[in-house]
Amino acid sequence: QSVLTQPPSASGTPGQSVTISCSGSSSNIGRDYVFWYQHLPGTAPKVLIYRNNQRPSGVPDRFSGSKSGTSASLAISGLRSEDEADYYCAVWDDSLRGWVFGGGTKLTVL
Amino acid sequence: EVQLVESGGGLVQPGGSLRLSCAASGFTFSSYDMHWVRQATGKGLEWVSGISTSGDTYYSVSVRGRFTSSRENARNSMSLQMSSLRDEDTAVYYCATGWNGWDVWGKGTTVIVSS
Repeated sequence: QSVLTQPPSASGTPGQSVTISCSGSSSNIGRDYVFWYQHLPGTAPKVLIYRNNQRPSGVPDRFSGSKSGTSASLAISGLRSEDEADYYCAVWDDSLRGWVFGGGTKLTVL
Repeated sequence: EVQLVESGGGLVQPGGSLRLSCAASGFTFSSYDMHWVRQATGKGLEWVSGISTSGDTYYSVSVRGRFTSSRENARNSMSLQMSSLRDEDTAVYYCATGWNGWDVWGKGTTVIVSS
């Protein structure tokens, strides 16, 4: 059971928007930057968002991140079939003295 | 080409030891913190350990006291010495690094702990 809580699943149809939440605490999200990763089976995870809301070059602006208090969100607009993947939030936890991942959210594009 | 290549995985009995290695190329290895992340079959990503550029090490609660990370900047490599292995350590182990998030990952090496 992760210290970061994500919904196990999310879904949407092509073109729709979906938001994935990540709930933490004052020792992690409440005090440090949140990162979001996309993971397709059999491939290496890919960083989508760093430092709460920054996109690496090459990541479409359909992906956006936000943070408020001890929660963070990843929003995906204009859903495409290739967005079907597992999504993880990650953050440094000052109490645990280590990085933590959320449990992951499996996104299905219907 | 920026690349990380893991090696050293295999089958080990519970209570046994194993040493994983991660060879880096294509970037200034000594300038980057390095990490180990694992994924058990059907489970999510789990951060295992990190080592800073200065050699400071950090571990998840689940492996603290059993795993030891090290790095050799002259050889552009890092290692994860795993001991007192348990069934629940069975996973694919990735090494990862990056400046803005972990944007460089290896393909992973599989560790199976079983009698």
